Amino acid sequence: AQKITQTQPGMFVQEKEAVTLDCTYDTSDPSYGLFWYKQPSSGEMIFLIYQGSYDQQNATEGRYSLNFQKARKSANLVISASQLGDSAMYFCAMREPRRGTYKYIFGTGTRLKVLA
Amino acid sequence: DGGITQSPKYLFRKEGQNVTLSCEQNLNHDAMYWYRQDPGQGLRLIYYSQIVNDFQKGDIAEGYSVSREKKESFPLTVTSAQKNPTAFYLCASSTGQGDGELFFGEGSRLTVL
Repeated sequence: AQKITQTQPGMFVQEKEAVTLDCTYDTSDPSYGLFWYKQPSSGEMIFLIYQGSYDQQNATEGRYSLNFQKARKSANLVISASQLGDSAMYFCAMREPRRGTYKYIFGTGTRLKVLA
Repeated sequence: DGGITQSPKYLFRKEGQNVTLSCEQNLNHDAMYWYRQDPGQGLRLIYYSQIVNDFQKGDIAEGYSVSREKKESFPLTVTSAQKNPTAFYLCASSTGQGDGELFFGEGSRLTVL
């Protein structure tokens, strides 16, 4: 069964330092997509970055990069030069084809706190 | 502006009452989704729909019902059969073509008194 695992319930990072948030996934389908979302305390879900299963290179979006290790089934999010505004919940998600549509499942999230 | 509108933002209900959460999108997306979020449990999929008049159960569909009579609308009813309905509910949509991300509404917070 498809599954997303985030093993870090909470993380602290010093402002301006880099931080890695872990995500592992499990799927038997060769075609899938991996996503990271940020959820501030307001509750909105903000899309950060996407990696397709066939993409050869790691995805990058500004200060966000996705460390994709297909053989290990991991898709870690790296945030460089952390800012106070990065304090939020972060969710890893996977998209799989399912009966003519696409199913998206989410991990349990990691709460990141950036320290001044 | 294109987006997803959920209403109401906050809702209180008494035990034994059904309640319907509204979700409307003007993104012309085919696929729509409902998730439930509880502290420490991430987002769990309740129902999803690829096209009008068709929908599938997600991982926690018991005690919930949906309809998809229009492409733009995907309301969720939390029935009295749902044992623990107090939660944050998020509606989302996507193109349904296997490209792009999920777009989310701002959520509805349901509290059962």
